[in-house]
Amino acid sequence: QTVVTQEPSFSVSPGGTVTLTCGLSSGSVSTSYYPSWYQQTPGQAPRTLIYSTDIRSSGVPDRFSGSILGNKAALTITGAQADDECDYYCVLYLGGGISVFGGGTQLTVL
Amino acid sequence: EVQLLESGGGLVQPGGSLRLSCVASGFTFSSYAMSWVRQAPGKGLEWVSTIIGSGGSTFYADSVRGRFTISRDNSKNTLYLQMNSLRAEDTALYYCAKRISGAGTAYYFDYWGQGTLVTVSS
Repeated sequence: QTVVTQEPSFSVSPGGTVTLTCGLSSGSVSTSYYPSWYQQTPGQAPRTLIYSTDIRSSGVPDRFSGSILGNKAALTITGAQADDECDYYCVLYLGGGISVFGGGTQLTVL
Repeated sequence: EVQLLESGGGLVQPGGSLRLSCVASGFTFSSYAMSWVRQAPGKGLEWVSTIIGSGGSTFYADSVRGRFTISRDNSKNTLYLQMNSLRAEDTALYYCAKRISGAGTAYYFDYWGQGTLVTVSS
């Protein structure tokens, strides 16, 4: 069974830069997995941030960027703001109609 | 404006059944794949199922295959999830999501509903 891994939690200072990663339990993440990233604040539906590795969804500020770093997908937030404090999820497309979510990263801005 | 409105959630006993619905508006429903994604209380997101625009192909997570059935009625712009043999671990908020499945170009969820809560308990 394929497991998508994310840091359970991360902390960043206001105005700072943080990179969250999305890996595979076995193997490397590449653009062929079409990594996408979603932001979820408590009590709200997810919001799409990034798709196809590095394409920002409509209305997403350019403080959010996606990439492949080494063998993982990455979401970088520059100039972190207080309202960036929430949960972030990555999704990898495994092919055959199957998608897998990572466990999510709880980001703290303090 | 894309809108997705889920309904049909509620309390059901283990072993019971429930059918969720999602009414879509603001886009050409039949042209897009649609998915169900769930979130157990205090837990992360889990992809459940996807159906292509025509309804001709369906895909399921291992955790629900054989128990859940996804379907759609393009004449009513409505997505369904028939859930049978429900278990306590199926308790979750179920989101309907519009799916971009780009045949080698992009695969992601671009719009989400607000969810409907399913509780499986005796």
